[in-house]
Amino acid sequence: DAKTTQPNSMESNEEEPVHLPCNHSTISGTDYIHWYRQLPSQGPEYVIHGLTSNVNNRMASLAIAEDRKSSTLILHRATLRDAAVYYCILRDRDIGGSARQLTFGSGTQLTVLP
Amino acid sequence: EAGVAQSPRYKIIEKRQSVAFWCNPISGHATLYWYQQILGQGPKLLIQFQNNGVVDDSQLPKDRFSAERLKGVDSTLKIQPAKLEDSAVYLCASSTLPHYEQYFGPGTRLTVT
Repeated sequence: DAKTTQPNSMESNEEEPVHLPCNHSTISGTDYIHWYRQLPSQGPEYVIHGLTSNVNNRMASLAIAEDRKSSTLILHRATLRDAAVYYCILRDRDIGGSARQLTFGSGTQLTVLP
Repeated sequence: EAGVAQSPRYKIIEKRQSVAFWCNPISGHATLYWYQQILGQGPKLLIQFQNNGVVDDSQLPKDRFSAERLKGVDSTLKIQPAKLEDSAVYLCASSTLPHYEQYFGPGTRLTVT
């Protein structure tokens, strides 16, 4: 799987938008961009994923650069409950005979300040 | 819908002892994963099951770790004998199909002294 690069940590103020960047310059044409987050003392949870177009769901938005070499996870209004480690993961859409794994990096630790 | 269940939540053992973790995936999820998460790192896949068959166990230390998923539902992960470096959180996850989103349990925190 292609590698991603994320900042180790970021801070945000409560009720303000948060933009979490992810670089993936070696992304292939068949890689989906997935985001998971891990709240303290919990297992990771799925946030959002996309291929080429920007995506929105109830949790967040995903903005994908036109060349797909970077993406940004957007939390429109951060709350204290959004404090977590956010992982950007590339996952090949080609399931073939064996599924592509989730390969987690170290992620970005988001701190939300009251 | 009930989530992925794991037990125990915490376990402390001495090195060279054995330990077992249990996972009950979301009902109907055919794919089950075990991950190891060392403090400060992201989870690392140990083994993946599709129903009761192993899809990938390339990162499982087979000299001491074993896992099974009888009847394609519950799964157990065993460590025998444990080493100090096995101290970590062991996470179980499941998905309907291998390429779909994964749902994680709360994990079991293992401390080996």
